[in-house]
Amino acid sequence: DGGITQSPKYLFRKEGQNVTLSCEQNLNHDAMYWYRQDPGQGLRLIYYSQIVNDFQKGDIAEGYSVSREKKESFPLTVTSAQKNPTAFYLCASSIGWGETQYFGPGTRLLVL
Amino acid sequence: QKEVEQNSGPLSVPEGAIASLNCTYSDRGSQSFFWYRQYSGKSPELIMFIYSNGDKEDGRFTAQLNKASQYVSLLIRDSQPSDSATYLCAVDNNAGNMLTFGGGTRLMVKP
Repeated sequence: DGGITQSPKYLFRKEGQNVTLSCEQNLNHDAMYWYRQDPGQGLRLIYYSQIVNDFQKGDIAEGYSVSREKKESFPLTVTSAQKNPTAFYLCASSIGWGETQYFGPGTRLLVL
Repeated sequence: QKEVEQNSGPLSVPEGAIASLNCTYSDRGSQSFFWYRQYSGKSPELIMFIYSNGDKEDGRFTAQLNKASQYVSLLIRDSQPSDSATYLCAVDNNAGNMLTFGGGTRLMVKP
């Protein structure tokens, strides 16, 4: 059953803590993306990766980091430098760069 | 800064009516246009995409693109209560490799 999975569904972060959000896809897609969505807002691009071992900053990369060591995995770390991390985080993938993007179910991050 | 604008709504229509959702964009070089539906608390799901001027129909959904006027619209015929959701418009950039999303229009279909 092909698709994009994100875990956990909910994540709680304490002040000063780094947390990592998981994104896995078994669609054999080359490109992967991370977006942030705030209540009542559209999606804003955090990081994207066109191919394994390569990634680029999006519009709001400060306070976030990513890695792309495997084609199917694109984890996002929310660092302590991100002062307002509470949001809905969405991972997406596309078969190639610039192709139609499909989304995972999302992770909701809350700050304790 | 490339912009994609949508009326936040809510747009309220009675069941069975046609819902019309509009989106304008600022990048004249944009080539690909997408409509996503997002239910409350869920992730966006692709409804349809359009690349060429004119209309593209898929079931009850019709996407309309007018590049000269820089707008794209989504028509939903025979609206159902299950269509109640937020509809996101997404537009690629001039290079065709990144999407900019609008803020979404919330649609409410009343029985």
